[in-house]
Amino acid sequence: DIVLTQTPLSSPVTLGQPASISCRSSQSLLHSDGNTYLSWLHQRPGQPPRLLIYKISNRFSGVPDRFSGSGAGTDFTLNISRVEAEDVGIYYCMQATQSPRTFGGGTKVEIK
Amino acid sequence: EVQLVESGGGLAQPGGSLRLSCVASGFTFSSYSMNWVRQAPGMGLEWVSYITASSGIIYYADSVRGRFTISRDNAKNSLYLQMDSLRVEDTAVYYCAREVWGSGSSWGQGTLVTVSS
Repeated sequence: DIVLTQTPLSSPVTLGQPASISCRSSQSLLHSDGNTYLSWLHQRPGQPPRLLIYKISNRFSGVPDRFSGSGAGTDFTLNISRVEAEDVGIYYCMQATQSPRTFGGGTKVEIK
Repeated sequence: EVQLVESGGGLAQPGGSLRLSCVASGFTFSSYSMNWVRQAPGMGLEWVSYITASSGIIYYADSVRGRFTISRDNAKNSLYLQMDSLRVEDTAVYYCAREVWGSGSSWGQGTLVTVSS
């Protein structure tokens, strides 16, 4: 199975400052169809997850442009350009290149 | 508005069975692949199962293969998860999620499954 390792585990950030989360895969996530099925989701306490980014860098409908994704192969990054209060919660990367699909362990973003 | 509503959770004994349902509205259910994802109390997300729109392709996590069965009824806009031989470690909130490009684009609020004697 593909293992996704997220760092940091926790990220205290100041409002208005940037934040960055890394997701490293144990294998390349490049699918034979040419796509890389790496996505990012955000979960607030007591809520279901919400999709932010799919296929490395595509923002899902309604997601603010302060969120961006980048990377290739085995190394991926989610960036938040200016953290807002509503951005607190846990962020997960997820791969669907290979079955079984797997999630990273999560990164908790909190305000300093 | 896309809506997914799970039901069927509850308390089950180890070795018992439960059947989860997810009713979809606000989109053409028969056009989308679907997933089940679970989250144990205080833990991260764990993908459980995937089914294509036509039910032609089905995948399972190793932890549930042979015990859980995913299915759907497109005429009823419904997704199901038959859970047999339940274990204590199956205790979790179970979410259904509409698939988009290898991820869950819309999620239900989840249904809690507790396996305990």
